[in-house]
Amino acid sequence: GAGVSQSPSNKVTEKGKDVELRCDPISGHTALYWYRQSLGQGLEFLIYFQGNSAPDKSGLPSDRFSAERTGGSVSTLTIQRTQQEDSAVYLCASSPVGGTYNEQFFGPGTRLTVL
Amino acid sequence: DQQVKQNSPSLSVQEGRISILNCDYTNSMFDYFLWYKKYPAEGPTFLISISSIKDKNEDGRFTVFLNKSAKHLSLHIVPSQPGDSAVYFCAAPGSGNTGKLIFGQGTTLQVKP
Repeated sequence: GAGVSQSPSNKVTEKGKDVELRCDPISGHTALYWYRQSLGQGLEFLIYFQGNSAPDKSGLPSDRFSAERTGGSVSTLTIQRTQQEDSAVYLCASSPVGGTYNEQFFGPGTRLTVL
Repeated sequence: DQQVKQNSPSLSVQEGRISILNCDYTNSMFDYFLWYKKYPAEGPTFLISISSIKDKNEDGRFTVFLNKSAKHLSLHIVPSQPGDSAVYFCAAPGSGNTGKLIFGQGTTLQVKP
């Protein structure tokens, strides 16, 4: 079956512009996570969705970052007024249900470069 | 505060030998640990996990050891194969039982033929 897909695979933008990153989770997975990996760092949690709700947004670094999920499926991560420190690989993962002991399936990521 | 740490950015081993990847953690409340493997331009994939009630979990060539008193875990790959060359991340669940994971910085393993 299809895995988690993300688009675009690469995005180059100018400082100050807004960007939208898309994640299509595995069909039927109710839990969805966004992470980012900055150069030389591990993956950093951003936000967790259960269905269309986001009960944990604790990892969003600033109010320039927002995310939504519609129809219990596709999720969009929006970064407003991008800064150079936003450059990273943004990874999306889904899981059949939320909770600690459920395997997360990752997409290939979107590499964001802010010039 | 880095709760999960992988202090070796890279490791190189010969094919057929053992690879040992290390991970340290600071939060004694962690009760579950995972290893993920990542190839370039792909997302991480789950490799193996261990519950804190165990000190060892084995799956084929992969074994994870947990030393709770030292807050240390290690992943052993025996024998190592060139296809094992990848970045390996250890991770632990964050608070709130949402499933969010706290990852180490990763260790790049190169297995030479």
